[in-house]
Order: sequence, then structure tokens, then C-alpha cells
Amino acid sequence: DAKTTQPNSMESNEEEPVHLPCNHSTISGTDYIHWYRQLPSQGPEYVIHGLTSNVNNRMASLAIAEDRKSSTLILHRATLRDAAVYYCILGSGGSNYKLTFGKGTLLTVNP
Amino acid sequence: DTEVTQTPKHLVMGMTNKKSLKCEQHMGHRAMYWYKQKAKKPPELMFVYSYEKLSINESVPSRFSPECPNSSLLNLHLHALQPEDSALYLCASSEGHVGFFGQGTRLTVV
Repeated sequence: DAKTTQPNSMESNEEEPVHLPCNHSTISGTDYIHWYRQLPSQGPEYVIHGLTSNVNNRMASLAIAEDRKSSTLILHRATLRDAAVYYCILGSGGSNYKLTFGKGTLLTVNP
Repeated sequence: DTEVTQTPKHLVMGMTNKKSLKCEQHMGHRAMYWYKQKAKKPPELMFVYSYEKLSINESVPSRFSPECPNSSLLNLHLHALQPEDSALYLCASSEGHVGFFGQGTRLTVV
């Protein structure tokens, strides 16, 4: 499985944008980039995914570099409820959608 | 219904016990998964079921035995576990590129 590299931790202030980086230099042509987050004492939660183009949904935006070797998850206005571990995961879809979690980034949001 | 429901939420078992974890989803997803998560670590994939057949076993010890009785239900049978097997066990299902996780079963082996 292609690997991802994320900072161990990041800090943000409430109501400010947050940019969470992810490096994936060995990404294959068929790998999608997925982001999940895990709030304390909860199961992981899907955030967003993309292949080549930037993606937006109600939770976040995903900016993908033109060479696809890196991506950035953007939370437009962080809230205290966004404090979580954020995982950047590569994988293909289909019936064997296999998510292999890396260490993730612990995001702290300050009031 | 966009939930994956896991029962029980907590389980304490002895090393000679046999117990089962249960996972249920009614979203029509044909792929279901078991993950194990130790404290302050990321989830580790254990098993993948696709269309009710085991498609991936990540070299999990035989004391963990998965079962998929139907497309909505996934079980994990536990037997002769060790204290180091204490962890949060997460079930998930997926459709396309979106995975849905349950809240997990917190297992303690004594």
C-alpha cells in the first residue's frame, strides 16, 4: 500500500481556517485520496475524497496537487467540535475498499 | 438509516471464555470490515468481507473468527484471547469511496 506522511499534530484557533497537509509521493494512478477523522471515543468518520480535481463538500475542501504527490484538507472555519485525529488514506474503491490508516494528525482547536 | 451498530459497547472476558461481537448495517452495503484499535494508535484492518465472502484476512490469529451470516450482519467470534488483545474493535461498511464506522466495542481481556 502506498504510504502517506502527515504532521503528528497541529493547532488552530476557533473560527479560523485550518490546512492539514498530507504527502503521498508514491501514489499510484488509481489511488484515491481519502480523509477520515476520529473524534475522541468515537469511530472514524468520513470527511472527503478525491482523485485529481479539488473537491468540496459541506464538511471540508480537498486540494490536490497537480502531480498528486500531496494534498491538503481545508476546514474553512474550525470549531471546537473539529478537534480530532485526521487521517489521510490512499486506496482504490470498489467492493474491496481497503482503508489502511496511518498515524494521522491530531488537531487541537483553541477557543 | 446511515448507521453501523455494534454490540456490546463494552465487554470484559476471561482468557478461557468464548464471546462474540456483533455488527449490523441496513444501508445495503456489500462490503464490511473489522478493525482493531489500541489506545493512541490508528485502526488496524483485520478482515474484509465482500458480498458475504471473506476477501481479506490481514494475517489475524485464529483466536479471532469472523462470520458474515447475511448482507446486514457481521460477527467476530473470540476464543482464548490474550490480555494484549484488549482494544477497541471497530466495524465498518462501505459504498463506493465512503466508509461508515460503528462506535466500536471496548474489549478487555482479563
